[in-house]
Parts: sequence; structure tokens; C-alpha cells
Amino acid sequence: LAKTTQPISMDSYEGQEVNITCSHNNIATNDYITWYQQFPSQGPRFIIQGYKTKVTNEVASLFIPADRKSSTLSLPRVSLSDTAVYYCLVELKAAGNKLTFGGGTRVLVKP
Amino acid sequence: EPEVTQTPSHQVTQMGQEVILRCVPISNHLYFYWYRQILGQKVEFLVSFYNNEISEKSEIFDDQFSVERPDGSNFTLKIRSTKLEDSAMYFCASRWGMTGFEKLFFGSGTQLSVL
Repeated sequence: LAKTTQPISMDSYEGQEVNITCSHNNIATNDYITWYQQFPSQGPRFIIQGYKTKVTNEVASLFIPADRKSSTLSLPRVSLSDTAVYYCLVELKAAGNKLTFGGGTRVLVKP
Repeated sequence: EPEVTQTPSHQVTQMGQEVILRCVPISNHLYFYWYRQILGQKVEFLVSFYNNEISEKSEIFDDQFSVERPDGSNFTLKIRSTKLEDSAMYFCASRWGMTGFEKLFFGSGTQLSVL
């Protein structure tokens, strides 16, 4: 099974841009890359998903290079409320109906 | 936005007791999941459920665990004889389809404390 690798933690300051890169070297042709956000004592929440190139929504941008072996979640101008754990997921057809979370990246936004 | 609802939000039980955690997935969703998260650790997959049967389960989901969709709206996780190590936050999730672009919607969780 492919595995995702992301930094354990990152610190930032309010107003800065935060970029979190996830490696997924064994991504398959039909797989999508999805990012979830989790606040303490809450369930993960979908924030963005992409297949290739760039995707942007009201919360974040997702950059995926042509080889798709990595992806970068970009959070523009973070605020204190963006402090959370961010998970990168790649769903594998071979894994069946099972979506596995890795360790995630704990982002701490400081004033 | 539609929501997955979980009850209770907190459950305290004695070791060896049975507990049932309840979830109401989003109404038109077809795939249902239970995850758990021990304090400070990652979100762990327990089981997925489709068409009234388990489609995947993890090694954590042993004979002490069972899931059921007793009617058209509820999805339950039963732990038959709780152990101390079952203390965790349990999340229910659902989604419409199984393909990679179908996002998971999570409930707000049930915090289970086994004493």
C-alpha cells in the first residue's frame, strides 16, 4: 500500500502563508489526493481535493506536480483558528473501502 | 451543510460492560465508517460498511466489536466487553460513494471512557 509522509509539525504566525508538503510516491493513476483538517476534540473535516495541477477553494490551495508523487497544501494568511492537524490522504483502489489516516501535520499558529 | 450526528457525546462505562455508540449518517450516503482516536494519537480506521455488511475492517476490530444498521437511518458500533484500552474518541463517518473523489463527512465523535 502506498504511504503518505508529511512533517510532524509546523509553527507559523498570524498572517503568514503555510505550506505543507505530503509525499505519496506510490500513487496510482486513478487516485485522488485529499486533505482533511482536525481541530481538537472534533472529527476531521474535508478541506480540499485534487487530481493534478492546482486546485483552489475558499479555504486553501492544493498544488500537485506532474508526476503526482507529492502535493502541497497552501493555507494563505493563517489565523489563530487555523491551528489544527492537517492530514493528507491518497485513496488506493487496491485498499478497497478503507481510508487510512497517517500521522498528520500539527500546525500551530502563533500571534 | 449536511451533518453526521453521533450520540452520546460522552460515555463513561465500567470495564467489562457493553456499550453501543450511535450514529445517524447523512441521509443519501451509502458507505459508513467507524474510526477511533486515542488521546494524542492518529485517527485509526476500524470498519467500513456498505449494503448491510462489513466491507473492510482493521486488526483493531476484533470479535468484541460489531456494527449494525438496524433501520434506514442509524448506524451503531457495539463493544461487547469494554477494556481500559478502548477508551478513545470514536468517530462515525459517511460518504455517498467509494471512489477517490467522494469526501468523508465525520461526526463530532463520542468520547468513551472505560474505568
